[in-house]
Amino acid sequence: DTAVSQTPKYLVTQMGNDKSIKCEQNLGHDTMYWYKQDSKKFLKIMFSYNNKELIINETVPNRFSPKSPDKAHLNLHINSLELGDSAVYFCASSPRNRGDHEQYFGPGTRLTVT
Amino acid sequence: GNSVTQMEGPVTLSEEAFLTINCTYTATGYPSLFWYVQYPGEGLQLLLKATKADDKGSNKGFEATYRKETTSFHLEKGSVQVSDSAVYFCALSPDVAGNQFYFGTGTSLTVIP
Repeated sequence: DTAVSQTPKYLVTQMGNDKSIKCEQNLGHDTMYWYKQDSKKFLKIMFSYNNKELIINETVPNRFSPKSPDKAHLNLHINSLELGDSAVYFCASSPRNRGDHEQYFGPGTRLTVT
Repeated sequence: GNSVTQMEGPVTLSEEAFLTINCTYTATGYPSLFWYVQYPGEGLQLLLKATKADDKGSNKGFEATYRKETTSFHLEKGSVQVSDSAVYFCALSPDVAGNQFYFGTGTSLTVIP
């Protein structure tokens, strides 16, 4: 009964490739997020969706495109991968509409671009 | 604007030592405050939270009090264990809608036997 799941857990690919990371939550939450964590553990929000609608889009290169087919899924597609994209990407969800701001995180996807 | 400042790590303590990790924040309005913990190779987990001034969040022996006058939310534990070794993140959500989360830079804690 995993709450927030991500696939794949590890992703190794070459520069210039296009890749996707999938995220699913079974908590019934309305809001989902993508975060990037660099090698120094610094965590930065990238996107937030509420009921399939984009509500936060930080200054992220447009090579990154989130897609939310339904409120339980938020996928991240990355075009033309660069070395600097290597990081751990975390998906999270939150029952924002109930006034509870707690975020529930997935286990992360470690992306390595060579 | 909104931001969170945490004490720099890494922090290394002996088992049963007292832990304090400082966190101060800048926010407009009345934010909710959180501590998250990240164990090696895992995602972040909520450790504790406080949603209004003078609230004390507590969990697993950890405590933090929401101090509006000093804009602080310091994490404390009286006696750390080896299993507490992890990275700790202070965070705030500045608005009622909870649209945005701001994380501190994280503080790595290592507890040695």
